[in-house]
Amino acid sequence: GQQLNQSPQSMFIQEGEDVSMNCTSSSIFNTWLWYKQDPGEGPVLLIALYKAGELTSNGRLTAQFGITRKDSFLNISASIPSDVGIYFCAIIQGAQKLVFGQGTRLTINP
Amino acid sequence: SAVISQKPSRDICQRGTSLTIQCQVDSQVTMMFWYRQQPGQSLTLIATANQGSEATYESGFVIDKFPISRPNLTFSTLTVSNMSPEDSSIYLCSVGATTTGELFFGEGSRLTVL
Repeated sequence: GQQLNQSPQSMFIQEGEDVSMNCTSSSIFNTWLWYKQDPGEGPVLLIALYKAGELTSNGRLTAQFGITRKDSFLNISASIPSDVGIYFCAIIQGAQKLVFGQGTRLTINP
Repeated sequence: SAVISQKPSRDICQRGTSLTIQCQVDSQVTMMFWYRQQPGQSLTLIATANQGSEATYESGFVIDKFPISRPNLTFSTLTVSNMSPEDSSIYLCSVGATTTGELFFGEGSRLTVL
């Protein structure tokens, strides 16, 4: 199956700092997605990217679909305590299947 | 969006037993999916639950181990059969449009097998 390489695996930052994480693949995809999973919850879609080069924002979150269609990054500006959680990139494989990256676990020190 | 309810939210099970997880959606949906999230790991698709026909399983998952029912467009069950400690995971039900990638997930069912 398709392997997504997501980095970093974990981040420990101070409140107020900016965060950046990325996902790469050896294959080309038409959609890149970013989900967040809070402790004890299922993942929630943050941003969906459908076009190479697309830059999309959702509040303090900004994500970009790489021009090569093989990568994407997610930035969080001015982090706050509720940003804690696990962030997953994902792609659509075939017509039916979402494949998720390994996740980036974000911890924020107040 | 969709509201998805899963039962049980968590359970502790004995080796060799089976447990059925229920997933109820507040609206009729075409596609329902079951994912597994092993401790500290990402989500892996187990199968797609098809209404009126057998589920479609991903590589590495078989019907004997993970039988799935989909009696109507709002409900599905996943059974984890003959459990072993390796089955300790969070099992998540999801619905949505895979064409856009917009999946909605239940809160998950956290199973611990002793």
